[in-house]
Amino acid sequence: AQSVTQLDSQVPVFEEAPVELRCNYSSSVSVYLFWYVQYPNQGLQLLLKYLSGSTLVESINGFEAEFNKSQTSFHLRKPSVHISDTAEYFCAVFLGEKLTFGTGTRLTIIP
Amino acid sequence: DAGVTQSPTHLIKTRGQQVTLRCSPKSGHDTVSWYQQALGQGPQFIFQYYEEEERQRGNFPDRFSGHQFPNYSSELNVNALLLGDSALYLCASSTSGWGRVTEAFFGQGTRLTVV
Repeated sequence: AQSVTQLDSQVPVFEEAPVELRCNYSSSVSVYLFWYVQYPNQGLQLLLKYLSGSTLVESINGFEAEFNKSQTSFHLRKPSVHISDTAEYFCAVFLGEKLTFGTGTRLTIIP
Repeated sequence: DAGVTQSPTHLIKTRGQQVTLRCSPKSGHDTVSWYQQALGQGPQFIFQYYEEEERQRGNFPDRFSGHQFPNYSSELNVNALLLGDSALYLCASSTSGWGRVTEAFFGQGTRLTVV
């Protein structure tokens, strides 16, 4: 069985401060990991993904995530957040041609 | 490319009624998956369609059914609606992976409210 745990349901951060959104997974087989972002009243957009190779993956808008097999984690980070980063962030595991999502972390940026 | 389109965007139904939600996949995609996202929760997998057949199913009752058409578009039907069916229903399209990881593209969702 596979599952995804997002440890923080809400994370408030001051604008231009760094942020880390935590994600841990459990799986008995090789994993493929994703971060999706959901802006208010919208669907999900892919932020970044880890399939294989380099354990550090980056998105075009400054986010990065590091796959850590020993700690079964795939935490999302950004060194300096902007108001426009306000959204819900979901970590997901791909297995059996479907995605299993965590419960999400609401990122709130404080001006 | 219009991406994944879902209709309607919002819907209000009464308990016991039936509802049909529609999804058009991204151009070139042949696989459609449906997810239910309850308020404050992550999306939960309902089922997936490929070649007009249900390929796999999540832990949802038989009241949830679907269909895929030859043009790859899909419908999600829910019978005997319950208050607990109120949620955002998301459609995701992809190409068939058959063991390979494929990226899923999501629509904007249909917000269903059951009263």
